[in-house]
Amino acid sequence: SAVISQKPSRDICQRGTSLTIQCQVDSQVTMMFWYRQQPGQSLTLIATANQGSEATYESGFVIDKFPISRPNLTFSTLTVSNMSPEDSSIYLCSVAENRGNTIYFGEGSWLTVV
Amino acid sequence: GQQLNQSPQSMFIQEGEDVSMNCTSSSIFNTWLWYKQDPGEGPVLLIALYKAGELTSNGRLTAQFGITRKDSFLNISASIPSDVGIYFCAGLGNYGGSQGNLIFGKGTKLSVKP
Repeated sequence: SAVISQKPSRDICQRGTSLTIQCQVDSQVTMMFWYRQQPGQSLTLIATANQGSEATYESGFVIDKFPISRPNLTFSTLTVSNMSPEDSSIYLCSVAENRGNTIYFGEGSWLTVV
Repeated sequence: GQQLNQSPQSMFIQEGEDVSMNCTSSSIFNTWLWYKQDPGEGPVLLIALYKAGELTSNGRLTAQFGITRKDSFLNISASIPSDVGIYFCAGLGNYGGSQGNLIFGKGTKLSVKP
């Protein structure tokens, strides 16, 4: 499976600021996704990162709050904008392999907003 | 929307015991995936199931894709302390949502007495 690296792994952020999370994959992948895991919860899909075009957002998530870039088939970024304590979560990059039937996750970026 | 019911929510067992957990849904899935998440890390894929009735093993782990495509179970045999963690089931299906939109169970927290 692809090796997925995320940066930063952890950060403490001030309310009202924005933070960009980077995701690097060691091979070209067609499908990349961003998930959120709130404290003590399971994972929820934020958006599909589309290469060369705007991301596709799930219900409840908007581009102004979570802008996503995907300049090529191995890299994507997620920005969490104008953060509030409610944004304290783990943000996870994931990729799909096996014709989209198998999903792998990065180590996650643990954000705490104070 | 899609929901997965995962049980039990938590387990506390003796080392060497066998463990069983399951997920059920009111909807059909085409793929079932089982993940383990250790503290401070992202989910790691344990087993992927692609066909109804499929029974797959990975070391001491065995998982099955239910015949109805609405359920799956995961068994761990002869548990050891490093099995501690949270186990998530996740389903992937053709329900009009995004291709990578895994639907997750709420997790089973496994604690093992040494």
